[in-house]
Amino acid sequence: AQSVTQLGSHVSVSEGALVLLRCNYSSSVPPYLFWYVQYPNQGLQLLLKYTSAATLVKGINGFEAEFKKSETSFHLTKPSAHMSDAAEYFCAVSDRGSSGDKLTFGTGTRLAVRP
Amino acid sequence: DAGVTQSPTHLIKTRGQQVTLRCSPKSGHDTVSWYQQALGQGPQFIFQYYEEEERQRGNFPDRFSGHQFPNYSSELNVNALLLGDSALYLCASSYQGALSEKLFFGSGTQLSVL
Repeated sequence: AQSVTQLGSHVSVSEGALVLLRCNYSSSVPPYLFWYVQYPNQGLQLLLKYTSAATLVKGINGFEAEFKKSETSFHLTKPSAHMSDAAEYFCAVSDRGSSGDKLTFGTGTRLAVRP
Repeated sequence: DAGVTQSPTHLIKTRGQQVTLRCSPKSGHDTVSWYQQALGQGPQFIFQYYEEEERQRGNFPDRFSGHQFPNYSSELNVNALLLGDSALYLCASSYQGALSEKLFFGSGTQLSVL
C-alpha cells in the first residue's frame, strides 16, 4: 500500500525565510505525488504534482518540490515565505495506473509565518 | 465555471441519527470521491463513484454509503452516527480520462455529532 509521512506537524518560519516542508513516501511502484494546501474553513487546493516527468516540479504561489527516488522524498520548498502562506499543507500519493484518483494523504504540516 | 459544490456547509446531528451530504462535481467531471478529514488529520478516502457505481472503497464500515446520479452529482449517507463521525467531509471530482491528474475539492461539509 502507498503511504506518505510528513515530518513535523508544525513548522514556523519568519517572513522572507526559506520554507521547507518534508514528505517521505512509501510505494512499491513509481508514485504520483502531490502537495495540497488547505486554508482555514476551506477545501484542498493543489499546489503541485509529480507524475514522472521532470523531478523538479514547480507549482503555484512560488512553491516547488523535488522528487528524489534514492531518498524516497518529495519535500516542498519556497525561497521566501509570505504571511499569506500560513496554512495546512498535505502531501499525498496516488497509485499509478490505478482505476481512479484515490489519494492517500499524510497527517499534514501546519505552517506559521512570523512577521 | 462553478467548481465543486457541497451542501450543507455545516450540520449538527445526534448519535444514532442518519445524515445525507451532497456534492455537485465541477463541470465536465464524471467521477466523484468522498474523503473524511478528522480534526488535526489528513483526509481519508471513503469511496469513489463513476458511472453511478461505487468503484473503489476505503476502510470505512457499511454505515457509510453513497450514490451517484445520472448528472454525476453524488450523495454520501451515514447511518447510526457515532461521535467519531464528527469530521469535515470533502468531496472531490475528476475526469475519468485523466487519472491522477488533478482532483478538484469542494469546501466540505462540517459534521458535528453530539
